[in-house]
Amino acid sequence: KNEVEQSPQNLTAQEGEFITINCSYSVGISALHWLQQHPGGGIVSLFMLSSGKKKHGRLIATINIQEKHSSLHITASHPRDSAVYICAATRRAGGGADGLTFGKGTHLIIQP
Amino acid sequence: GAGVSQSPRYKVAKRGQDVALRCDPISGHVSLFWYQQALGQGPEFLTYFQNEAQLDKSGLPSDRFFAERPEGSVSTLKIQRTQQEDSAVYLCASSLVGTEFNEQFFGPGTRLTVL
Repeated sequence: KNEVEQSPQNLTAQEGEFITINCSYSVGISALHWLQQHPGGGIVSLFMLSSGKKKHGRLIATINIQEKHSSLHITASHPRDSAVYICAATRRAGGGADGLTFGKGTHLIIQP
Repeated sequence: GAGVSQSPRYKVAKRGQDVALRCDPISGHVSLFWYQQALGQGPEFLTYFQNEAQLDKSGLPSDRFFAERPEGSVSTLKIQRTQQEDSAVYLCASSLVGTEFNEQFFGPGTRLTVL
C-alpha cells in the first residue's frame, strides 16, 4: 500500500463544475503539499499546509490531521485547470529537511 | 533566470552508456532534491543535499546512481551503465533552508530515454 493515496486517478468534468481531489496518507507528516504538473511541464507548488485550510484564487486545500486526509477543491473549473494534481507529504523529520513522498497523481481534464 | 533549471531537457542514451544530468537550483537555496518520475507515476525521492553534504541517498535505486553537489550549488546526477528501466523524467527541486516546512521549487525535469 502506498503511503500517499489519491483519488480519483482520472477525472473528466465540464467547465464550471466544482472539483474535489482527495488524498489520504498513512505516515506521520509535518506538511502536506498539493502540486500541479502540466503535460511536458515542470511541477508547480500550489499549497503547503500542516493544518486547517488555505485558499488561493479558485483553489482551496484542506487537511484533517486526525483523519490523515486532505482535499483539493477547484471552484468554477476552467479548461486551463486541466493538469495532473499531485499530493505529496513531508515526513515528520525531527527538524531536518526530507524528500517528499508523492501520490500517483490525479489526471484532471476540464472540457469546454 | 529565477527558477530551477535542468539540462539537458531531453537525453537519449544507448543501454550501457553513462549519462550526467545537471541541476541549477535557485541561488541561495540550501536544500536540493532529486526525484525520479516514471511514465504515468508520481515522482519518487532519490537523494537530498543540504549545501554540499549529501544527507540522504536512501532513494537511489542502485550503485549505478551517483549524485554530487561539490560547491553547494549546482548538482549533477550521474547514472552509469544505463538500463532501460532507468528511462524516466528526473526532477530536481530546491528549497531555501533545510527544514521540512519549506516549499520546494521544481525544475522542468530531464526526460531520459534509454534504448
